[in-house]
Amino acid sequence: GENVEQHPSTLSVQEGDSAVIKCTYSDSASNYFPWYKQELGKRPQLIIDIRSNVGEKKDQRIAVTLNKTAKHFSLHITETQPEDSAVYFCAASKGGNTPLVFGKGTRLSVIA
Amino acid sequence: ETGVTQSPTHLIKTRGQQVTLRCSSQSGHNTVSWYQQALGQGPQFIFQYYREEENGRGNFPPRFSGLQFPNYSSELNVNALELDDSALYLCASSLVGSENYGYTFGSGTRLTVV
Repeated sequence: GENVEQHPSTLSVQEGDSAVIKCTYSDSASNYFPWYKQELGKRPQLIIDIRSNVGEKKDQRIAVTLNKTAKHFSLHITETQPEDSAVYFCAASKGGNTPLVFGKGTRLSVIA
Repeated sequence: ETGVTQSPTHLIKTRGQQVTLRCSSQSGHNTVSWYQQALGQGPQFIFQYYREEENGRGNFPPRFSGLQFPNYSSELNVNALELDDSALYLCASSLVGSENYGYTFGSGTRLTVV
């Protein structure tokens, strides 16, 4: 089955700097790659997603890139702010009614 | 529009007991998935229900079972609770058959087994 690896497990950046989180997946049939942000004690919230027919997607300060050949995708957060501090999870699925397979998460700390 | 709601929010059970967790899916969604999130880990897929039938299962033993009702709400049942079952249990709903693959998560039920 699908296996998703996520790095780094923790990341500290200065406010205003950029943060990059990387994930790799194993199943070449996966075609949907969402990113979730989870604040302490709260539900995972979808922040951005990408499908395999697109190489990059951007939403204000957040962007995701996908390299299907290498089977990896990355989350980029620019101009980080303290409220970006949270745990971020990547996931992969084959779309439709197939389940999401999550990475183990990255704890991002933005230092003011 | 209503989001995904789960009940109860917190629960303490004794080893060997049974527990039922409940989930109401987002309006318009027809599929419910359950995930177990241990402390410091990513959510792990337990199973998914579509059209009131189990439609995919992760690596969890049979003592984890579920139901989906005609209104698309769902229950997760865990029998013979073990200490390692202590976790946040997340329910997520989605709409199969649409071009939108997005899952909406509930706030979860935090289960503690003592």
